[in-house]
Amino acid sequence: KNQVEQSPQSLIILEGKNCTLQCNYTVSPFSNLRWYKQDTGRGPVSLTIMTFSENTKSNGRYTATLDADTKQSSLHITASQLSDSASYICVVVGGSGTYKYIFGTGTRLKVLA
Amino acid sequence: EAQVTQNPRYLITVTGKKLTVTCSQNMNHEYMSWYRQDPGLGLRQIYYSMNVEVTDKGDVPEGYKVSRKEKRNFPLILESPSPNQTSLYFCASRKAGTGITFFGQGTRLTVV
Repeated sequence: KNQVEQSPQSLIILEGKNCTLQCNYTVSPFSNLRWYKQDTGRGPVSLTIMTFSENTKSNGRYTATLDADTKQSSLHITASQLSDSASYICVVVGGSGTYKYIFGTGTRLKVLA
Repeated sequence: EAQVTQNPRYLITVTGKKLTVTCSQNMNHEYMSWYRQDPGLGLRQIYYSMNVEVTDKGDVPEGYKVSRKEKRNFPLILESPSPNQTSLYFCASRKAGTGITFFGQGTRLTVV
């Protein structure tokens, strides 16, 4: 069964600290993996897109990694800011037939001053 | 500005009263889709459209209809809403292939 699991479910950190969010998937065949940031009550916004051959991709203070062999990805946030408080959703694109988006349930991050 | 626009943002309605949530994109994207988001669950696809006049069911299509008469618009229709359709709905669009998907701001629907 195609699944995307994220951990932790929620996380609280102090402003300025780093954190790492995890994503494990069982989607096959695999096309690409995406990380989205979703502010409360708003639509998800794309952070990174990683294909099979990419191990690391950065977008400002966000760095995503992908290990296609173990089917794991992580999103590392450096020097967190209050504005990083949001849900972070891992999405794996793949599955049989047309490109199907399989969404994780997200990690809810709260950054405290 | 490139965007996906949904209307309304908030809607409270009664069981059985037909409603339409509109979605429009200004990026000339071929692919559009509708999702619902419920607590503890990932976004689930309701319907999608690969291009004008081409629509198909997603994972949870029951109780919903869509149409794609124009490339920019993809309305979601609830013919007879029920309380289990209370949810946060998102419209999304992207270019054909594996481009970035843009999401609308969401429509919070409550059916009483």
